[in-house]
Amino acid sequence: GAVVSQHPSWVICKSGTSVKIECRSLDFQATTMFWYRQFPKQSLMLMATSNEGSKATYEQGVEKDKFLINHASLTLSTLTVTSAHPEDSSFYICSVISGLAGGPGYEQYFGPGTRLTVT
Amino acid sequence: GQNIDQPTEMTATEGAIVQINCTYQTSGFNGLFWYQQHAGEAPTFLSYNVLDGLEEKGRFSSFLSRSKGYSYLLLKELQMKDSASYLCAVNPAGGGNKLTFGTGTQLKVEL
Repeated sequence: GAVVSQHPSWVICKSGTSVKIECRSLDFQATTMFWYRQFPKQSLMLMATSNEGSKATYEQGVEKDKFLINHASLTLSTLTVTSAHPEDSSFYICSVISGLAGGPGYEQYFGPGTRLTVT
Repeated sequence: GQNIDQPTEMTATEGAIVQINCTYQTSGFNGLFWYQQHAGEAPTFLSYNVLDGLEEKGRFSSFLSRSKGYSYLLLKELQMKDSASYLCAVNPAGGGNKLTFGTGTQLKVEL
């Protein structure tokens, strides 16, 4: 399966600053990556779909101007949390997909996650 | 809309068998995933069901009934390391490759 890395694994920042999180597909060319957010003891909530070479597609309720996504290459997508606030503290996880939805080889591989704490 | 339900918590004994249920109501259906997630870590893939029936992989099996909107994950010969959150996720038709996750079931394995 695909190997996905994220950097940093954890970050602490002050309120009002911006934080960039990288998601890399190490052995797989990913035209599509997903960004999720997970609050403690809750499930994963999809934030946006990152498309290589085009604009990201955001889920309802996710502010695109606050969560900037750049998918500049087939192996790298970045999520920038702008003007971070304590309520943005969460576990951010990216994923890549292989195969086609509904097909036998379809699978979604997750990165190790980035723990963001905003003070 | 999408609605996926799982029990919040379950407790089982080491060496036993446990079944974690998942019911879903989605706009179409392209497949259902089960993931395991340990605290502070990313989810890891367990199984993927597209057609009705049982898929077996070692100690883990997953069952799907599309007509009932129902799936279960069966864990046999439970080990302490199986204590984790188990997430049911559905790929709805027309949703591209997106997954909609259930709230997860926190399984605690005791001696």
